[in-house]
Amino acid sequence: RKEVEQDPGPFNVPEGATVAFNCTYSNSASQSFFWYRQDCRKEPKLLMSVYSSGNEDGRFTAQLNRASQYISLLIRDSKLSDSATYLCVVNGNRDDKIIFGKGTRLHILP
Amino acid sequence: DTAVSQTPKYLVTQMGNDKSIKCEQNLGHDTMYWYKQDSKKFLKIMFSYNNKELIINETVPNRFSPKSPDKAHLNLHINSLELGDSAVYFCASSHGNRGPWETQYFGPGTRLLVL
Repeated sequence: RKEVEQDPGPFNVPEGATVAFNCTYSNSASQSFFWYRQDCRKEPKLLMSVYSSGNEDGRFTAQLNRASQYISLLIRDSKLSDSATYLCVVNGNRDDKIIFGKGTRLHILP
Repeated sequence: DTAVSQTPKYLVTQMGNDKSIKCEQNLGHDTMYWYKQDSKKFLKIMFSYNNKELIINETVPNRFSPKSPDKAHLNLHINSLELGDSAVYFCASSHGNRGPWETQYFGPGTRLLVL
C-alpha cells in the first residue's frame, strides 16, 4: 500500500456542485494531516489542517477517519476558482517526515 | 514582501554541468526544506534543515548537496546534472517548533531542464 494515496482525477464538476475527495494513508502512527492546494505552475499552499473531530472553513469541510486511515475533503457550492490540484499531506513518524500525495485534479466547469 | 524566494525561477542547462539554486525566507522560521516535483507532479521531500542543522536526508544521490549558511537560507547545489534531474524544485520553510502540525510555506519553485 502506498504511503499516501489519492485518486488523481481529473474530477470535472459543474459550478455550484458539491465534490468530495478521499485520501488513504498507510502509517497508522501518523500524527497530523493536511490538505494543500496547488494551482497550475504554482507552489502548494495550505488549504486546511485536518483535526480528529473534523473541521470546517467556509465551503470546505475536512474529516479524518483514523480507524480506516483516510481523510476527506468536501467542497460545497464549488466555484470556478476552486479549480486546482488538491494535495493530501500526512506527517508521519518521529522524524517529522512529511509525505505528499500525488494530488487530485479538480476542474470546475462553467 | 516575499516570504520564501528562490532563484533562479528557470534553469536550462546541459548534462554534466554543476548548478546551484538559492532559497531565502524572511519569515523567521527555523526549518527549511527542499522538495522535488517531477513530471508526474509527485512532490517528494529531499532535505530538511533546522537552524542550519540537517535533520532529514532522504535517499537522494550525493550529487545533491544542500548548504545552509544561516537559518534564513538553504541553497541546493547539484553536480554532474543528469536528464532525470529535470523537475521543479521547491524550497519551503516552517516554524520548526510546532511539532507535527507545522504549516509549510513554499517558494515559487525553480524549473530545471537538463538537456
